[in-house]
Amino acid sequence: DQQVKQNSPSLSVQEGRISILNCDYTNSMFDYFLWYKKYPAEGPTFLISISSIKDKNEDGRFTVFLNKSAKHLSLHIVPSQPGDSAVYFCAAPRGGAGNMLTFGGGTRLMVKP
Amino acid sequence: NAGVTQTPKFQVLKTGQSMTLQCAQDMNHNSMYWYRQDPGMGLRLIYYSASEGTTDKGEVPNGYNVSRLNKREFSLRLESAAPSQTSVYFCASSGPWTGANYGYTFGSGTRLTVV
Repeated sequence: DQQVKQNSPSLSVQEGRISILNCDYTNSMFDYFLWYKKYPAEGPTFLISISSIKDKNEDGRFTVFLNKSAKHLSLHIVPSQPGDSAVYFCAAPRGGAGNMLTFGGGTRLMVKP
Repeated sequence: NAGVTQTPKFQVLKTGQSMTLQCAQDMNHNSMYWYRQDPGMGLRLIYYSASEGTTDKGEVPNGYNVSRLNKREFSLRLESAAPSQTSVYFCASSGPWTGANYGYTFGSGTRLTVV
């Protein structure tokens, strides 16, 4: 049972425009969410996070929005740059000992010049 | 540079062969993890080690074993490789999750092909 889902496997955006990546979750006990970015042949790297007590967190061009009633979060990238082309994963802590994260299936973003 | 180091980066195995994927971290993290990445499936947890001396199964442990050799090292072993284990394997580590210090540091991955 995938508790974190990214329903769009890919997204193509023109440089300078907004990229919106979406993530849905089923477990209402999740209290923290993270986004990771992954380039080919590299490991994922942390991008931005949000606590469930907030509905928005911003870091430069990246903003994450959380809608708890809809169990939905989104990552906005404005303006999009070709270097943003990567696979983006959303993730949430599963709880319990060991700090385990459960990940969505990922969305491949392609930003065209 | 501090981080998580995985070896090897690439490996081709024949069905039935065995191998061990190595992982080491130098950030003094207590917890370490092995994930596999498959197209459309995201990252799925194979095994984890919450602290030195402990290991536990994740979502997809069948066909794998692990060893937490010491605080730095966490290895993943395939005893009898199968084509279904063709994947990219990532090791990760994390410290205590407090305040803004959430999340993992990942290694660069091992691309394994089983033929």
